[in-house]
Amino acid sequence: DTAVSQTPKYLVTQMGNDKSIKCEQNLGHDTMYWYKQDSKKFLKIMFSYNNKELIINETVPNRFSPKSPDKAHLNLHINSLELGDSAVYFCASSPNAGGDNEQFFGPGTRLTVL
Amino acid sequence: AQSVTQLGSHVSVSEGALVLLRCNYSSSVPPYLFWYVQYPNQGLQLLLKYTSAATLVKGINGFEAEFKKSETSFHLTKPSAHMSDAAEYFCAVSSPASKLTFGTGTRLQVTL
Repeated sequence: DTAVSQTPKYLVTQMGNDKSIKCEQNLGHDTMYWYKQDSKKFLKIMFSYNNKELIINETVPNRFSPKSPDKAHLNLHINSLELGDSAVYFCASSPNAGGDNEQFFGPGTRLTVL
Repeated sequence: AQSVTQLGSHVSVSEGALVLLRCNYSSSVPPYLFWYVQYPNQGLQLLLKYTSAATLVKGINGFEAEFKKSETSFHLTKPSAHMSDAAEYFCAVSSPASKLTFGTGTRLQVTL
């Protein structure tokens, strides 16, 4: 059973294109997250949703727009892709928005912008 | 504001030797602290967490960490390294609202 799944696993695209990454969790969790891991392995939170409501919105260009159609899904849409957007994007989920919760991570989506 | 500092971006130990990965944190409120492991081309997996209960926390795969408030540290240890422990290890601090701030990671190499 895949707890947190992401599609696609790899995404190669040209600068200026628009792309989406999808995330689904089957753990029954209320809270979901998007993280960006750069080429130096540094992980930084981008967004978090709790029960479909945005609760964390870090300093991210507005070309990035998360959407949560329901508690089990959190998608990430990126407009006008730039070279600097190349990274691995991880989705995660936790039972609720409490800070003591373990976060369960997906396998990641490696985005390469040419 | 919260932050995490991991000393040593790369640590190499012999199989069977002690593993010590260092983590110091800064937090304006009592912290929740985590260690996650990332194997190549995979997502992160929780090793252990501190949430203000016992200061010595035991995790999976024989790892443990000790919370020391006076030193603002949460170092990760394992008595005897195994080849399968080779991975990237991340220390993280969480705000009460579940915002995780990660350290820069430590790559553990295990040699024969």
